[in-house]
Amino acid sequence: DAKTTQPNSMESNEEEPVHLPCNHSTISGTDYIHWYRQLPSQGPEYVIHGLTSNVNNRMASLAIAEDRKSSTLILHRATLRDAAVYYCILTNAGNNRKLIWGLGTSLAVNP
Amino acid sequence: GAVVSQHPSWVICKSGTSVKIECRSLDFQATTMFWYRQFPKQSLMLMATSNEGSKATYEQGVEKDKFLINHASLTLSTLTVTSAHPEDSSFYICSARGAGRGNSPLHFGNGTRLTVT
Repeated sequence: DAKTTQPNSMESNEEEPVHLPCNHSTISGTDYIHWYRQLPSQGPEYVIHGLTSNVNNRMASLAIAEDRKSSTLILHRATLRDAAVYYCILTNAGNNRKLIWGLGTSLAVNP
Repeated sequence: GAVVSQHPSWVICKSGTSVKIECRSLDFQATTMFWYRQFPKQSLMLMATSNEGSKATYEQGVEKDKFLINHASLTLSTLTVTSAHPEDSSFYICSARGAGRGNSPLHFGNGTRLTVT
């Protein structure tokens, strides 16, 4: 399964944008890029996913590099409630969409 | 949005006893459910995948006789930790997906904190 690499931790200030990077240099053509986040003592929460084109939803934006070897999750205005561990994961229909979880990026948001 | 309910949210049991954790999809039919375990400061580790009406597929190193999974209906899967020991203390999380387009997001329960004394 293709793996992803993320920084262990990042810090942001409230109301400022946050760019969370993810490298996935071994991504295959059929892999989708999914982002989830996990608040302390809770199950993960879906954030966004995409294949090739940039994606926007009410939670965030996903910018995917042209060669698809990296992507960036963008939180436009960080709030204290955005403090969580963010996971970038690759999945495809061929593996029953099992998600292989790395350690993610722990995002701290300063008031 | 799709909701997955996991129960109980926490449980404390004595060593040697069994504990059952339920995972329900509340507003969709879950054709596939995944069970994860997460130790402190670590990532989620997939334990098994279950499809409704068939036997679960366990990941390497996960004892199927110890972690019994039943996915008897399209809205309910259960994980039973049999003869629990302190090393089984962990955060157990289920996730579910419905039938439909491939690569649609997974929906997760809020986890069950198991403490074995």
